[in-house]
Amino acid sequence: GQQVMQIPQYQHVQEGEDFTTYCNSSTTLSNIQWYKQRPGGHPVFLIQLVKSGEVKKQKRLTFQFGEAKKNSSLHITATQTTDVGTYFCAGANQFYFGTGTSLTVIP
Amino acid sequence: NAGVMQNPRHLVRRRGQEARLRCSPMKGHSHVYWYRQLPEEGLKFMVYLQKENIIDESGMPKERFSAEFPKEGPSILRIQQVVRGDSAAYFCASSRRTDEKLFFGSGTQLSVL
Repeated sequence: GQQVMQIPQYQHVQEGEDFTTYCNSSTTLSNIQWYKQRPGGHPVFLIQLVKSGEVKKQKRLTFQFGEAKKNSSLHITATQTTDVGTYFCAGANQFYFGTGTSLTVIP
Repeated sequence: NAGVMQNPRHLVRRRGQEARLRCSPMKGHSHVYWYRQLPEEGLKFMVYLQKENIIDESGMPKERFSAEFPKEGPSILRIQQVVRGDSAAYFCASSRRTDEKLFFGSGTQLSVL
């Protein structure tokens, strides 16, 4: 089956620092979705990218879809404690979620 | 407009018992997905259903696990003869169409004693 890998698995940052998580697929994706799961919570949809090279922004969050549609990234500028959680990418009809990146923000 | 409803939130079973997890999708959603999550791990796809049909069950163990999404009523994930290794959080999600965003329920935490 399709493999969707995310790096890093864990990231600790000081509040105010930037954060980036990367998602890599073994095959070309028709689209990619990003979700956030707060500790003890359930995944919540953030965004969907469809076009090759697409870049979308949501306030301090920037999402990018690679030209080959095999990778994607999520960048958070000036992290805040509210950004704490695990960020997942999902591809291929949402069946396959990435391994997730757990973000800890140190105040 | 109620979100995806899962119940129970917590389920405790002894080894060998049966576990039934229920999921009511959002209104207007005919696609249901079940995922399993262990602590500190990602979401593992189990099964994808549309009304009365199993579309993809490639992530579900062949034995003891089954899922259904009847014409009327919630989707059910059934685990027979539970073992300790079945302890996990089970999340259900729904969407209107394939390739659209998923809305997740709050999950069922299954504990097998």
